[in-house]
Amino acid sequence: GENVEQHPSTLSVQEGDSAVIKCTYSDSASNYFPWYKQELGKGPQLIIDIRSNVGEKKDQRIAVTLNKTAKHFSLHITETQPEDSAVYFCAASSSSGYSTLTFGKGTMLLVSP
Amino acid sequence: DGGITQSPKYLFRKEGQNVTLSCEQNLNHDAMYWYRQDPGQGLRLIYYSQIVNDFQKGDIAEGYSVSREKKESFPLTVTSAQKNPTAFYLCASSMRTATGGLGFFGQGTRLTVV
Repeated sequence: GENVEQHPSTLSVQEGDSAVIKCTYSDSASNYFPWYKQELGKGPQLIIDIRSNVGEKKDQRIAVTLNKTAKHFSLHITETQPEDSAVYFCAASSSSGYSTLTFGKGTMLLVSP
Repeated sequence: DGGITQSPKYLFRKEGQNVTLSCEQNLNHDAMYWYRQDPGQGLRLIYYSQIVNDFQKGDIAEGYSVSREKKESFPLTVTSAQKNPTAFYLCASSMRTATGGLGFFGQGTRLTVV
Protein backbone atom coordinates (compact mmCIF):
# COMPACT_ATOMS: atom_id res chain seq x y z
CA GLY A 1 0.00 0.00 0.00
CA GLU A 2 0.86 3.66 -0.09
CA ASN A 3 3.27 5.17 2.44
CA VAL A 4 3.61 8.92 2.91
CA GLU A 5 6.55 10.46 4.77
CA GLN A 6 6.36 14.11 5.90
CA HIS A 7 9.15 16.42 7.11
CA PRO A 8 9.82 18.28 9.27
CA SER A 9 7.60 17.32 12.20
CA THR A 10 7.96 20.83 13.67
CA LEU A 11 8.81 24.07 11.92
CA SER A 12 9.30 27.45 13.60
CA VAL A 13 9.57 30.63 11.54
CA GLN A 14 9.39 34.37 12.07
CA GLU A 15 6.42 36.28 10.73
CA GLY A 16 7.05 37.23 7.13
CA ASP A 17 9.42 34.33 6.44
CA SER A 18 8.63 31.48 4.09
CA ALA A 19 7.86 27.93 5.23
CA VAL A 20 8.35 24.73 3.26
CA ILE A 21 6.97 21.31 4.16
CA LYS A 22 8.01 18.25 2.18
CA CYS A 23 6.36 14.88 1.58
CA THR A 24 7.39 11.74 -0.24
CA TYR A 25 5.14 8.90 -1.35
CA SER A 26 5.80 5.33 -2.37
CA ASP A 27 3.00 4.29 -4.77
CA SER A 28 3.66 5.43 -8.33
CA ALA A 29 -0.07 5.03 -9.04
CA SER A 30 -0.90 7.93 -6.71
CA ASN A 31 -2.00 10.97 -8.65
CA TYR A 32 -3.88 13.22 -6.24
CA PHE A 33 -2.07 15.14 -3.49
CA PRO A 34 -4.04 17.38 -1.10
CA TRP A 35 -2.79 19.45 1.81
CA TYR A 36 -4.80 20.05 4.96
CA LYS A 37 -4.52 22.59 7.76
CA GLN A 38 -5.72 21.55 11.20
CA GLU A 39 -6.18 24.01 14.03
CA LEU A 40 -6.27 22.85 17.62
CA GLY A 41 -9.37 20.83 18.45
CA LYS A 42 -10.81 21.08 14.96
CA GLY A 43 -11.08 18.90 11.88
CA PRO A 44 -8.61 19.27 8.99
CA GLN A 45 -9.44 21.79 6.30
CA LEU A 46 -8.39 21.33 2.69
CA ILE A 47 -6.19 24.28 1.70
CA ILE A 48 -4.77 23.25 -1.67
CA ASP A 49 -4.41 20.17 -3.82
CA ILE A 50 -2.55 19.11 -6.94
CA ARG A 51 -3.04 16.38 -9.49
CA SER A 52 -0.32 14.49 -11.29
CA ASN A 53 -0.80 16.24 -14.61
CA VAL A 54 0.30 19.51 -13.02
CA GLY A 55 3.74 20.38 -11.68
CA GLU A 56 2.82 23.43 -9.61
CA LYS A 57 -0.26 25.15 -8.30
CA LYS A 58 -0.56 28.45 -6.50
CA ASP A 59 -3.27 30.11 -4.45
CA GLN A 60 -2.28 33.50 -3.03
CA ARG A 61 0.44 32.85 -0.42
CA ILE A 62 0.25 29.07 -0.74
CA ALA A 63 1.81 26.94 -3.46
CA VAL A 64 2.32 23.23 -3.98
CA THR A 65 4.89 21.59 -6.24
CA LEU A 66 4.97 18.00 -7.44
CA ASN A 67 7.87 15.93 -8.78
CA LYS A 68 6.40 12.65 -10.00
CA THR A 69 9.74 11.21 -11.01
CA ALA A 70 11.16 11.65 -7.51
CA LYS A 71 7.77 10.95 -5.86
CA HIS A 72 7.79 14.02 -3.71
CA PHE A 73 5.62 17.08 -3.30
CA SER A 74 5.98 20.20 -1.20
CA LEU A 75 3.88 22.95 0.37
CA HIS A 76 5.26 26.48 0.25
CA ILE A 77 3.81 29.28 2.37
CA THR A 78 5.17 32.76 1.74
CA GLU A 79 4.90 35.84 3.96
CA THR A 80 3.81 33.73 6.91
CA GLN A 81 1.45 35.19 9.49
CA PRO A 82 0.71 34.09 13.08
CA GLU A 83 -2.66 32.76 11.95
CA ASP A 84 -0.82 30.28 9.72
CA SER A 85 0.24 28.47 12.91
CA ALA A 86 -1.38 25.02 12.81
CA VAL A 87 -0.64 21.41 11.97
CA TYR A 88 -0.35 20.70 8.26
CA PHE A 89 -0.93 17.28 6.72
CA CYS A 90 -0.06 16.04 3.28
CA ALA A 91 -1.84 13.08 1.71
CA ALA A 92 -1.82 10.95 -1.41
CA SER A 93 -4.32 8.82 -3.26
CA SER A 94 -4.86 7.14 -6.59
CA SER A 95 -7.79 8.09 -8.73
CA SER A 96 -10.26 5.27 -8.62
CA GLY A 97 -13.61 6.71 -7.82
CA TYR A 98 -13.71 7.14 -4.08
CA SER A 99 -10.05 6.42 -3.54
CA THR A 100 -9.01 6.69 0.08
CA LEU A 101 -6.25 8.98 1.24
CA THR A 102 -3.00 8.04 2.98
CA PHE A 103 -1.79 10.83 5.26
CA GLY A 104 1.61 11.96 6.43
CA LYS A 105 2.14 12.38 10.17
CA GLY A 106 1.83 16.13 10.09
CA THR A 107 3.98 19.21 10.57
CA MET A 108 3.36 21.66 13.39
CA LEU A 109 4.06 25.14 12.02
CA LEU A 110 4.70 27.89 14.56
CA VAL A 111 4.84 31.46 13.27
CA SER A 112 6.23 33.93 15.79
CA PRO A 113 5.25 37.62 15.59
CA ASP B 1 -25.07 25.79 5.58
CA GLY B 2 -23.83 22.49 4.18
CA GLY B 3 -21.36 20.48 6.16
CA ILE B 4 -20.55 17.53 8.35
CA THR B 5 -21.76 17.36 11.93
CA GLN B 6 -20.13 15.09 14.46
CA SER B 7 -21.53 14.56 17.90
CA PRO B 8 -20.77 14.64 20.68
CA LYS B 9 -17.63 16.78 20.73
CA TYR B 10 -16.36 15.02 23.88
CA LEU B 11 -17.23 11.51 25.00
CA PHE B 12 -16.19 9.51 28.03
CA ARG B 13 -16.50 5.77 28.17
CA LYS B 14 -15.89 3.22 30.85
CA GLU B 15 -13.76 0.23 29.99
CA GLY B 16 -15.84 -2.63 28.63
CA GLN B 17 -18.58 -0.41 27.22
CA ASN B 18 -19.55 0.12 23.61
CA VAL B 19 -20.06 3.69 22.47
CA THR B 20 -21.42 5.15 19.23
CA LEU B 21 -20.16 8.32 17.54
CA SER B 22 -22.52 10.19 15.26
CA CYS B 23 -21.69 11.64 11.84
CA GLU B 24 -24.25 13.42 9.66
CA GLN B 25 -23.70 15.26 6.38
CA ASN B 26 -26.02 17.40 4.29
CA LEU B 27 -23.67 17.77 1.32
CA ASN B 28 -25.34 15.00 -0.70
CA HIS B 29 -21.99 13.18 -0.81
CA ASP B 30 -22.04 9.50 -1.64
CA ALA B 31 -18.89 8.49 0.22
CA MET B 32 -18.18 8.81 3.93
CA TYR B 33 -15.14 7.93 5.99
CA TRP B 34 -14.00 7.49 9.58
CA TYR B 35 -10.44 8.32 10.61
CA ARG B 36 -8.66 8.04 13.91
CA GLN B 37 -6.04 10.58 14.99
CA ASP B 38 -3.53 10.04 17.79
CA PRO B 39 -1.03 12.66 19.07
CA GLY B 40 1.86 13.08 16.64
CA GLN B 41 0.26 10.71 14.16
CA GLY B 42 -1.41 11.20 10.85
CA LEU B 43 -4.97 10.18 10.18
CA ARG B 44 -5.58 6.45 9.96
CA LEU B 45 -8.58 5.06 8.10
CA ILE B 46 -11.00 2.94 10.13
CA TYR B 47 -13.93 2.33 7.75
CA TYR B 48 -15.37 3.90 4.65
CA SER B 49 -18.59 3.64 2.70
CA GLN B 50 -19.12 4.44 -0.95
CA ILE B 51 -22.84 3.82 -1.06
CA VAL B 52 -25.77 3.17 1.24
CA ASN B 53 -25.82 -0.30 2.81
CA ASP B 54 -22.21 -0.96 1.86
CA PHE B 55 -18.91 -0.27 3.65
CA GLN B 56 -15.30 -1.45 3.64
CA LYS B 57 -12.65 -1.89 6.30
CA GLY B 58 -9.79 0.53 6.40
CA ASP B 59 -6.33 0.04 7.88
CA ILE B 60 -7.38 -0.23 11.53
CA ALA B 61 -10.94 -1.64 11.57
CA GLU B 62 -10.47 -4.10 14.42
CA GLY B 63 -12.65 -3.22 17.41
CA TYR B 64 -14.89 -0.89 15.42
CA SER B 65 -18.16 -1.30 13.54
CA VAL B 66 -20.20 0.96 11.26
CA SER B 67 -23.53 1.10 9.47
CA ARG B 68 -24.78 3.09 6.48
CA GLU B 69 -28.55 2.88 6.43
CA LYS B 70 -28.98 6.42 5.10
CA LYS B 71 -26.88 8.47 2.70
CA GLU B 72 -26.59 11.26 5.25
CA SER B 73 -25.47 9.19 8.23
CA PHE B 74 -22.45 7.02 9.01
CA PRO B 75 -22.25 6.20 12.73
CA LEU B 76 -19.17 4.55 14.22
CA THR B 77 -19.37 2.17 17.17
CA VAL B 78 -16.26 1.71 19.28
CA THR B 79 -16.64 -1.70 20.84
CA SER B 80 -15.13 -3.13 23.99
CA ALA B 81 -12.83 -5.15 21.74
CA GLN B 82 -10.92 -1.99 20.79
CA LYS B 83 -7.94 -2.16 23.13
CA ASN B 84 -6.87 1.48 22.98
CA PRO B 85 -9.90 3.57 22.06
CA THR B 86 -8.82 6.92 23.52
CA ALA B 87 -8.29 9.14 20.46
CA PHE B 88 -9.68 11.94 18.31
CA TYR B 89 -12.15 10.58 15.74
CA LEU B 90 -12.81 12.37 12.47
CA CYS B 91 -15.57 11.79 9.97
CA ALA B 92 -15.26 12.94 6.35
CA SER B 93 -17.19 12.80 3.11
CA SER B 94 -16.50 13.17 -0.60
CA MET B 95 -18.27 13.50 -3.90
CA ARG B 96 -18.44 10.75 -6.44
CA THR B 97 -15.67 11.76 -8.79
CA ALA B 98 -13.31 9.87 -11.02
CA THR B 99 -10.43 12.00 -9.85
CA GLY B 100 -10.65 11.22 -6.18
CA GLY B 101 -10.58 13.90 -3.54
CA LEU B 102 -11.72 14.38 -0.01
CA GLY B 103 -12.51 17.93 0.95
CA PHE B 104 -14.77 17.89 3.96
CA PHE B 105 -14.10 16.84 7.53
CA GLY B 106 -16.26 17.16 10.61
CA GLN B 107 -14.97 18.88 13.74
CA GLY B 108 -14.18 15.60 15.45
CA THR B 109 -15.13 13.69 18.58
CA ARG B 110 -12.60 13.25 21.36
CA LEU B 111 -13.16 9.90 23.06
CA THR B 112 -11.61 9.19 26.43
CA VAL B 113 -11.77 5.88 28.24
CA VAL B 114 -11.96 6.31 32.01
